[in-house]
Amino acid sequence: GDSVTQMEGPVTLSEEAFLTINCTYTATGYPSLFWYVQYPGEGLQLLLKATKADDKGSNKGFEATYRKETTSFHLEKGSVQVSDSAVYFCALRGSNYKLTFGKGTLLTVNP
Amino acid sequence: GAVVSQHPSRVICKSGTSVKIECRSLDFQATTMFWYRQFPKQSLMLMATSNEGSKATYEQGVEKDKFLINHASLTLSTLTVTSAHPEDSSFYICSAPSVAGSQETQYFGPGTRLLVL
Repeated sequence: GDSVTQMEGPVTLSEEAFLTINCTYTATGYPSLFWYVQYPGEGLQLLLKATKADDKGSNKGFEATYRKETTSFHLEKGSVQVSDSAVYFCALRGSNYKLTFGKGTLLTVNP
Repeated sequence: GAVVSQHPSRVICKSGTSVKIECRSLDFQATTMFWYRQFPKQSLMLMATSNEGSKATYEQGVEKDKFLINHASLTLSTLTVTSAHPEDSSFYICSAPSVAGSQETQYFGPGTRLLVL
């Protein structure tokens, strides 16, 4: 079945540091890929998505590129802020239209 | 933007009692809602798909008699954990899709933390 493996945290960075959270997937067919973010006390929010190979999703300075050859969708940001502290989930939507999530990565950014 | 609410946000109950969790789409209608369960340091696991006007569809391994789902209206789905036991303690999250044009976006509730003593 479909599965998502993402880098386990927690990840702690200083403000303005470079962020990478790795995500790889296993799926049949051609899934859509997502990154969701969950801020403390709030529901998951869509951060960015990509629906086909080589697509790059981007939002709020975050980027992720759909790499079919490596089955990856790594999340990157060039300069993190304290306000980026949250839990980040990688997810895919497969041929059955259901979302499969990774375990989540807690990011803490210190001033 | 679209918002999904859950109530309660936190509940503590005694073993053997039943607990009802509500999921509401606040400014859009949802014929389908999804219920997830999340254990500490684990991913969200889809439990069931709630369908307005028809029976919910459950994922493999989820007991339909234990987790009762009722999609009462186009803006409300409820999950009732019947005869709760400590192993049912978890974080329950609902989501609802909103369609605008050709784009579908899943909106998630903030979750309900259930602790069964």
